Amino acid sequence: GNSVTQMEGPVTLSEEAFLTINCTYTATGYPSLFWYVQYPGEGLQLLLKATKADDKGSNKGFEATYRKETTSFHLEKGSVQVSDSAVYFCALSPPNNNDMRFGAGTRLTVKP
Amino acid sequence: ETGVTQSPTHLIKTRGQQVTLRCSSQSGHNTVSWYQQALGQGPQFIFQYYREEENGRGNFPPRFSGLQFPNYSSELNVNALELDDSALYLCASSLQGVFNYGYTFGSGTRLTVV
Repeated sequence: GNSVTQMEGPVTLSEEAFLTINCTYTATGYPSLFWYVQYPGEGLQLLLKATKADDKGSNKGFEATYRKETTSFHLEKGSVQVSDSAVYFCALSPPNNNDMRFGAGTRLTVKP
Repeated sequence: ETGVTQSPTHLIKTRGQQVTLRCSSQSGHNTVSWYQQALGQGPQFIFQYYREEENGRGNFPPRFSGLQFPNYSSELNVNALELDDSALYLCASSLQGVFNYGYTFGSGTRLTVV
């Protein structure tokens, strides 16, 4: 079945450090891949997405590239800010869209 | 464009009781999915509704049931509540057949079973 495995946290970084959160997936067919972010007490917000192999999703300085050969969708940011502190979820959506699967989440804390 | 709204935001129930959670989908969306998010974990898929019918279900027992109404809003009902049902329940709306746009999530209902 479809599943997502993401890097366990928590991750603690200093402001302006480089961020990588690893995500790998298992899926049949050609899913779309997503990163969602959840701030305390809130629901999930779509951060970025990629719909086919070699696509790069980007938003707010975050990037992730859909790598079919390694079944990965790692999240990166060159310089994190305190305001980036949140929980990040990798997710995939199969072509039929009736079961989006999420990873367990990675908590990021950025210290000044 | 209105987003996804859920009610209530918080709820405390006693074990064995029944609960109904409500969700209004984003304007233009015709599909609603429900997720359970236990503390410190990722969201787990409960089920999805499209055209007022269940359109996929995760590994949840039948005491979790739902409805979708003609205006695309939805309800999640849980009978015979158990302590392990304590979680954040998230509703997400989307447009069927447009799977690569992702879901729009509400802020969730925090259910505590005591």
